[in-house]
Amino acid sequence: DAGITQSPRYKITETGRQVTLMCHQTWSHSYMFWYRQDLGHGLRLIYYSAAADITDKGEVSDGYVVSRSKTENFPLTLESATRSQTSVYFCASRPTGLLNYGYTFGSGTRLTVV
Amino acid sequence: QKEVEQDPGPLSVPEGAIVSLNCTYSNSAFQYFMWYRQYSRKGPELLMYTYSSGNKEDGRFTAQVDKSSKYISLFIRDSQPSDSATYLCAFLRGFQGAQKLVFGQGTRLTINP
Repeated sequence: DAGITQSPRYKITETGRQVTLMCHQTWSHSYMFWYRQDLGHGLRLIYYSAAADITDKGEVSDGYVVSRSKTENFPLTLESATRSQTSVYFCASRPTGLLNYGYTFGSGTRLTVV
Repeated sequence: QKEVEQDPGPLSVPEGAIVSLNCTYSNSAFQYFMWYRQYSRKGPELLMYTYSSGNKEDGRFTAQVDKSSKYISLFIRDSQPSDSATYLCAFLRGFQGAQKLVFGQGTRLTINP
């Protein structure tokens, strides 16, 4: 199916564990993004990627790592999960181009760190 | 000072009412102005966008931008229960490859039948 898919939809993990959230898109969009959504903060950018093997930090990147070996995949890893990382995580993508501001979002991963 | 301020609500109105949602921003570098709609347990979806001051209409929705006041609004006419969602304003910052979206907190809207 065409689109942007996130997995898992729900995840419960323990403090200190490493956890990876997956994101896959079928459009070959150059740009991909990870956001977290929390009450009172809206959506905040964690990391973004302009192409395979090109990534950069957003405003809340501490404690997170990303990789992008293939254009279609952009996994987000929490190296040692903390309770403050309990959130809903959204992956998004957009094509290249000056006026391509049409971000498409996945359905999100709801992560709980206990 | 936050770059974007949006009243989180919640906002509850009767079906058929006109709804007004607003955001203020402080960054003059914002170039494009967008509204996203987010249904419960779903990702945001682009509803409207504009890049100039003035009004843009799409069906029952009107987006209004006032760059001089750094203020944007979304109006919903003849509101329907299916319009119940969280509405997020969003702003595009930067140029070409460095463009990033900055979001408001979102306003939760409920339309009561």
